[in-house]
This record gives sequence, structure tokens and C-alpha cells, in this order.
Amino acid sequence: GAGVSQSPSNKVTEKGKDVELRCDPISGHTALYWYRQRLGQGLEFLIYFQGNSAPDKSGLPSDRFSAERTGESVSTLTIQRTQQEDSAVYLCASSSSGGGYEKLFFGSGTQLSVL
Amino acid sequence: RKEVEQDPGPFNVPEGATVAFNCTYSNSASQSFFWYRQDCRKEPKLLMSVYSSGNEDGRFTAQLNRASQYISLLIRDSKLSDSATYLCAVKDTGGFKTIFGAGTRLFVKA
Repeated sequence: GAGVSQSPSNKVTEKGKDVELRCDPISGHTALYWYRQRLGQGLEFLIYFQGNSAPDKSGLPSDRFSAERTGESVSTLTIQRTQQEDSAVYLCASSSSGGGYEKLFFGSGTQLSVL
Repeated sequence: RKEVEQDPGPFNVPEGATVAFNCTYSNSASQSFFWYRQDCRKEPKLLMSVYSSGNEDGRFTAQLNRASQYISLLIRDSKLSDSATYLCAVKDTGGFKTIFGAGTRLFVKA
């Protein structure tokens, strides 16, 4: 079975442009997470989806950031009017149910560079 | 105060050494605890879960102290291949949001 897939693997954009990052979770996984990792830093929680429940958006840094997920499938993270401080690796993870000791499976991330 | 805090790194140790990492968490209602390993420019992968009774996997031992709200990871007989960043992760009760610490970098040298 395939793991978590993210695309693109690298994205270079100009300041002020919008970008869309995609995540394909492992089939059947109901929980999906987005994290941001700046160079040399830890993982910063952005948003969490669990099945059809309302997402936990408490980590989104500003209203320029939004994410969607249709059912238990693909998710997209959109960053509008990108700024240089948005440059980071954006990691997506999924888990079977999200609860208890369910572990997270990560994709290889999207490296975003804002010039 | 950050929700999850880890020992500042990096740790530089010789092969064969024993090294210990600590991690503290602020939410006393946290439910589940983990150590992830992240190699340079790679995604994190689960190293081990941390149970109330403590658990061991080969050279790795993880312990949880709920009263003091910290977890630890002990690596015995360090190998060159243990060089990586070790991330502590804590999952909230109910919401299941998983929060990571900033990570501790380990360098094992010959």
C-alpha cells in the first residue's frame, strides 16, 4: 500500500502569489494533519481533520492559511498572498483513527520557498 | 510556555555512550505520548510510544512521569546510525491533536 503522498515536493513562488499544496493520505485513514517545519525548527501544528467532524484549525497562523478535506480523502492547504516567512517544509500526516496510541504516518513534505 | 518542551541540543556523544533526552508537557490531561525520529531532510517516523508503565525496545527505553509531566528517552550503546533529531509528541485527550516538541539533535561520533 502506498504511504502518504504530497505534491509538489518543491514549490518556488514569488511573494504575494497564492499556493496550493496537496496531500493524499493512506487509504482508510480518517485523521489527517498539516504541520509546518521551518529550517532547524520543530513541527508546528496547523490543522487537524477527523472524518466528517469540524476540523481543528487552532494552529493556522493567519487568515491567509486555509485547508480543505473532502470526506476521508485528499486535503489541500492553501496559502494566499505568500510572504517570505511562509518559507518552510509543509508536512502532512495521517493516522487510522487519530485516537489513543495511533501513530502518525508522514509524507515527505513540500518544500516551499517564497522569493 | 510552550505546550511541549525538549532539552536543547545538540548532544554530541561517542559511539557506545548512553544518552538521555527529556521532554515536558504543559497539559495535564494529555493522553498519549510518543518519540519520533527525524533524519536530516526526511519526514519524522515513529520511534516508540511511551506507556505509563514505561517500555523498552532493544537499546531504547522510554518512560513517562505523569505527576511531573515529563517523558524521557534513554539510548544505550549509541551507534553512528542513531544520529538524528528526536521529537517528543503529545496527544490531547478528546481532540486527538498531536503536538510536537522542537526536537533534540543527536550526533554520535566514532
